[in-house]
Amino acid sequence: QKEVEQNSGPLSVPEGAIASLNCTYSDRVSQSFFWYRQYSGKSPELIMSIYSNGDKEDGRFTAQLNKASQYVSLLIRDSQPSDSATYLCAVNAGDLSGGSNYKLTFGKGTLLTVNP
Amino acid sequence: DGGITQSPKYLFRKEGQNVTLSCEQNLNHDAMYWYRQDPGQGLRLIYYSQIVNDFQKGDIAEGYSVSREKKESFPLTVTSAQKNPTAFYLCASSIWSRNTEAFFGQGTRLTVV
Repeated sequence: QKEVEQNSGPLSVPEGAIASLNCTYSDRVSQSFFWYRQYSGKSPELIMSIYSNGDKEDGRFTAQLNKASQYVSLLIRDSQPSDSATYLCAVNAGDLSGGSNYKLTFGKGTLLTVNP
Repeated sequence: DGGITQSPKYLFRKEGQNVTLSCEQNLNHDAMYWYRQDPGQGLRLIYYSQIVNDFQKGDIAEGYSVSREKKESFPLTVTSAQKNPTAFYLCASSIWSRNTEAFFGQGTRLTVV
């Protein structure tokens, strides 16, 4: 059973601070990694994807991937109250695990609250 | 506009009744998925389909059934065998490939009354 674990939260940060969200995964051959944001009662929306080791920046968001340690993180700089949501980590196993397996496995999510 | 459409948005089911949730996509994606989300929980995979006329069980398939007769459509039936069906159901689609994300519909909230 492939596992994706996220820090349970809830995570509360003041407005303007950096929010750090972490995710670990069990399948060493996982190929691609995604962060989704989900507002209460809504469906998830993709905010970041990362495929290779290192950092990937998009505006106030930075995704970090370390395949050797099997973790991926999301940093949100200058956090805003509108960033308050549940953040879901998702992992795509890819085509090295004995066959094509491109379905996404999701973590349980971390609830982030940004306080004004 | 391209996207994924789920209907209805809210659905009420009496105990012992089967209900079918609709999911249609016009993104020309090969793969479609059904997830279930309970309060405070992540997404759990019910069924997925890589191609027309083929589908596989996910982690929690018991009490559910699907069909994939057309590329655009992947309906989910919640049967009376599903003992705790009240949940938020999400349909998604993707290109069946290594580095592609899934796109979601707006969800169907099912409540047993």
